[in-house]
Amino acid sequence: LAKTTQPISMDSYEGQEVNITCSHNNIATNDYITWYQQFPSQGPRFIIQGYKTKVTNEVASLFIPADRKSSTLSLPRVSLSDTAVYYCLVAPNAGGTSYGKLTFGQGTILTVHP
Amino acid sequence: DSGVTQTPKHLITATGQRVTLRCSPRSGDLSVYWYQQSLDQGLQFLIQYYNGEERAKGNILERFSAQQFPDLHSELNLSSLELGDSALYFCASSVGGLAGTDTQYFGPGTRLTVL
Repeated sequence: LAKTTQPISMDSYEGQEVNITCSHNNIATNDYITWYQQFPSQGPRFIIQGYKTKVTNEVASLFIPADRKSSTLSLPRVSLSDTAVYYCLVAPNAGGTSYGKLTFGQGTILTVHP
Repeated sequence: DSGVTQTPKHLITATGQRVTLRCSPRSGDLSVYWYQQSLDQGLQFLIQYYNGEERAKGNILERFSAQQFPDLHSELNLSSLELGDSALYFCASSVGGLAGTDTQYFGPGTRLTVL
């Protein structure tokens, strides 16, 4: 089962680009990578998902190198409202015995300063 | 608003007691996931149901059990409660049964306090 590691915290300033990396060295072939955002006392919210290379949507980009042992969430031009905890999730797109656990990282606390 | 509802919002009880947490998924979603979030453990996956059947199991204690009913709502039962069970319990739902590619929509959570 893939174990994920993220930085505990990061600081940034408004208008900057922020990159948060998640390490998942033993990712399996059928695992996908998903990032979620969580504000205090709220449930996590989906940001972006990918399998390999680069994925972009209206709020973020996700970069996954060829070996897939890490992934980087990129938030362009952050604002104060992006202050939150960011989790990466590695989970398989298949059933079977490997589907025992959904592994969320410990989360990265991003603080955006004025 | 994710469309996932959880009740109650807050629950305060004593050690040794039993409680039931309820979750209603988004309309059309067949999967329900349960998570426990405490300060020192982060977001821990407990269990997943898909269309009434258990699909995947995480670090769920034997004192905890869950089920998904024909109308697709789910209940998480916590018994013989201990102080360490105090946490936020989240329910999430998704359309299909594969967490790898299905977007999970999380509810607002139930905050359980065991005294």
